[in-house]
Amino acid sequence: AQKVTQAQTEISVVEKEDVTLDCVYETRDTTYYLFWYKQPPSGELVFLIRRNSFDEQNEISGRYSWNFQKSTSSFNFTITASQVVDSAVYFCALGRTGGGNKLTFGTGTQLKVEL
Amino acid sequence: DAGVTQSPTHLIKTRGQHVTLRCSPISGHKSVSWYQQVLGQGPQFIFQYYEKEERGRGNFPDRFSARQFPNYSSELNVNALLLGDSALYLCASRFGQITYEQYFGPGTRLTVT
Repeated sequence: AQKVTQAQTEISVVEKEDVTLDCVYETRDTTYYLFWYKQPPSGELVFLIRRNSFDEQNEISGRYSWNFQKSTSSFNFTITASQVVDSAVYFCALGRTGGGNKLTFGTGTQLKVEL
Repeated sequence: DAGVTQSPTHLIKTRGQHVTLRCSPISGHKSVSWYQQVLGQGPQFIFQYYEKEERGRGNFPDRFSARQFPNYSSELNVNALLLGDSALYLCASRFGQITYEQYFGPGTRLTVT
């Protein structure tokens, strides 16, 4: 069975602070995919990143960076210099190779960025 | 290009009734999936359709059914509604069977009273 754990239910930061959202996953598959999605109050899930299990290079995209560590089954997401517009619920998800559309999502982390 | 569209936006139904939710994928996308997101939880996979055939099903009762039409749009049907079916229903589309980026619509918020 696949499982994704996002232990942080809610995080509040002041604008310009850095914040890291944790994601720990469980799978018996040897190859898999990991995702991060952002869900603003409008409800639509916005795709942020996909990472293959065989590619452990960290990735940076603007203020966003992701740290994938297969040894600890973690795929953490850091926002540098947070902004109010970053306020949303962030979901980590796990997908199987060749597994179609089925993604297993975590319970999400509510990020609140205040002025 | 338009993104994934879903209708209606909001819906209120009574226990025991039936509901049909609709989804139009991004133009050119042939695969559609449905997810249920209960308040405070992550989305749960319900169905996947590709080229009008069911390609995956999550752990949902038979009251839930879906279909995909020749134009790749899709319907999700739920019979004998229960209070616990109240949720945001999300549709996601992607181009093919094994491409991994999928794009979500804004969802339909269903309230069962």
